[in-house]
Amino acid sequence: AQSVTQLGSHVSVSEGALVLLRCNYSSSVPPYLFWYVQYPNQGLQLLLKYTSAATLVKGINGFEAEFKKSETSFHLTKPSAHMSDAAEYFCAVSQFGNEKLTFGTGTRLTIIP
Amino acid sequence: NAGVTQTPKFQVLKTGQSMTLQCAQDMNHEYMSWYRQDPGMGLRLIHYSVGAGITDQGEVPNGYNVSRSTTEDFPLRLLSAAPSQTSVYFCASHGGSGSLEQYFGPGTRLTVT
Repeated sequence: AQSVTQLGSHVSVSEGALVLLRCNYSSSVPPYLFWYVQYPNQGLQLLLKYTSAATLVKGINGFEAEFKKSETSFHLTKPSAHMSDAAEYFCAVSQFGNEKLTFGTGTRLTIIP
Repeated sequence: NAGVTQTPKFQVLKTGQSMTLQCAQDMNHEYMSWYRQDPGMGLRLIHYSVGAGITDQGEVPNGYNVSRSTTEDFPLRLLSAAPSQTSVYFCASHGGSGSLEQYFGPGTRLTVT
């Protein structure tokens, strides 16, 4: 069985501040982990993925995430928030590569000017 | 490439009516999936297909039927709509377990009254 917990359904940060979105996972086997972003009224777009090649993963738009097995975490960070980062972010886990993704409940990120 | 397309974008149904949500992709992907997105619940897998003629159930399959007669198309059928099926529906595709990125359509917003 696999599951994902995203702490904080809403996060607000000031423009230029650090963005930290939290994700903890549960998996009975080494997981594949993903972060997706959803802009208003659009589908989901892949930000980055962890596939066991490297624990620090860099994605698009300046985002990165670090896989910490001891903490079963895969938190998403960005050093300096931009207004265009306002969106909903979903963490997802899979035990089979890209098949049968299990999504977290999402975190809505608001950027304060 | 158009990517993943979904029709219609919006639909209102009365309880008990039937309809088909259309999904098509032009990337020659073998894997296609249907998800529903509900507030505070993230995305949940309804049905998926690993190739033409092969489908399987996801996390929340009740009330939905699928078939996959071609690689390109993966329609989702609601045989007797219920208010609990009010949701946003996303179709996704990917090229196999080695591709590690799912491509999402823009979604269909369905309201059942």
